[in-house]
Order: sequence, then C-alpha cells, then structure tokens
Amino acid sequence: TQLLEQSPQFLSIQEGENLTVYCNSSSVFSSLQWYRQEPGEGPVLLVTVVTGGEVKKLKRLTFQFGDARKDSSLHITAAQPGDTGLYLCAGAAFGNEKLTFGTGTRLTIIP
Amino acid sequence: DAGITQSPRHKVTETGTPVTLRCHQTENHRYMYWYRQDPGHGLRLIHYSYGVKDTDKGEVSDGYSVSRSKTEDFLLTLESATSSQTSVYFCAISGTGAYTEAFFGQGTRLTVV
Repeated sequence: TQLLEQSPQFLSIQEGENLTVYCNSSSVFSSLQWYRQEPGEGPVLLVTVVTGGEVKKLKRLTFQFGDARKDSSLHITAAQPGDTGLYLCAGAAFGNEKLTFGTGTRLTIIP
Repeated sequence: DAGITQSPRHKVTETGTPVTLRCHQTENHRYMYWYRQDPGHGLRLIHYSYGVKDTDKGEVSDGYSVSRSKTEDFLLTLESATSSQTSVYFCAISGTGAYTEAFFGQGTRLTVV
C-alpha cells in the first residue's frame, strides 16, 4: 500500500506570508498531483508533475517534484484569503493507474 | 467541467437500513472511485473500479459494496447503515495514461441516525 503523508496537517497564517506544505512517501510515483478543495465542493486539480526534479509555477503557487519521485512540495508566496482550503496531493505508481491520495493539509489564511 | 454527477446530494437514513449512492459519468473514463471524507481524515478510498464489473477494495471497504454494470455508472451500497458511516461521500473518475488526473463529483452528505 502506497502512503502519502502530508505536513503540516493544519496551517493558519496571516495574509501576505509565505508557506510550504509537504507530501512525502516511501514509494516512487510516476506522477503526482496537487488538488485544492473548498468547503462543500469536491477537490479540483491544480497541477500535475511528472519528471523528477520538476518545478511548476501557477501564479503564486510553486510545485516541486522530488528528484527521487517520492515527495513533493507546494510553496505559496504572499498568501491570500482565497488560498484557504484543503490541499491534497495524489500519486500514481508506475504500472498502476490507481490514484492514492495524501492525508491533506488544511490551510487557513487570516485577513 | 468533467461530466460527473452524484445522487442524491443529501440523505438522512436510519441505522440498519440499506442505502445506495449513485455516481454517473459522461466522460467514458475507465476508473471510478468512491471516497469518504471525515474531519481530520482527508479522503479515504472505499472501493474503486477499473472497468465494467471490475472492482477492488480500498482501505475502508468494510460495510460497503459496489457495482459497475455500465461504464458510466458506479453504485455504492451500504448494506445496513451504521452511525459510523455518517460522512461525505465523493465519487471520482480518472482516465488511463501516465497522468491519471481525477475529477470529482459534488459529494453526497449522508447522515445515519
């Protein structure tokens, strides 16, 4: 069973601060995704990373896939209240298209 | 938006009664999943399907069964609902290929009293 551990589980910071959340596993993944979920809604895909060491930027969000394809990070610059939500990572192993979801990081940005 | 709908969106049922939740997709995706989401637990996989009549258990499958008789429909059944099954249930779909991205339904809030 592939496990994806996210940290921190909860994070509450002031608007304008920077933050990083982590997604770690002992398993190797062919690809890894990050999703954001807002209250009352299903998770929505933010990004997919597929190459070890890959860095992708989405406005103020920077995603990195670890060189060994076992971990990933999400960095948010100058956080805004609209960034509030549950952030989930998810990975697919080589030869297995079933997605495994992480434990989630609940982020609150205080205006 | 991916064509995926869940029904019902809300349901209250009594302990011991059977309950069936439906997930319908119009994307012809191979994979379909049922998750439950509880406070502090993120998403936990109940069952998933990788084709018509092909299903497998997830990490929290006890007390649940599934069926997929058509590509577009994936049913989740609680044979005898218990209060511990009070949760928000999400269906998701994903296709084949290296980037197995998932698209989620709006969720079903189930309360067992």
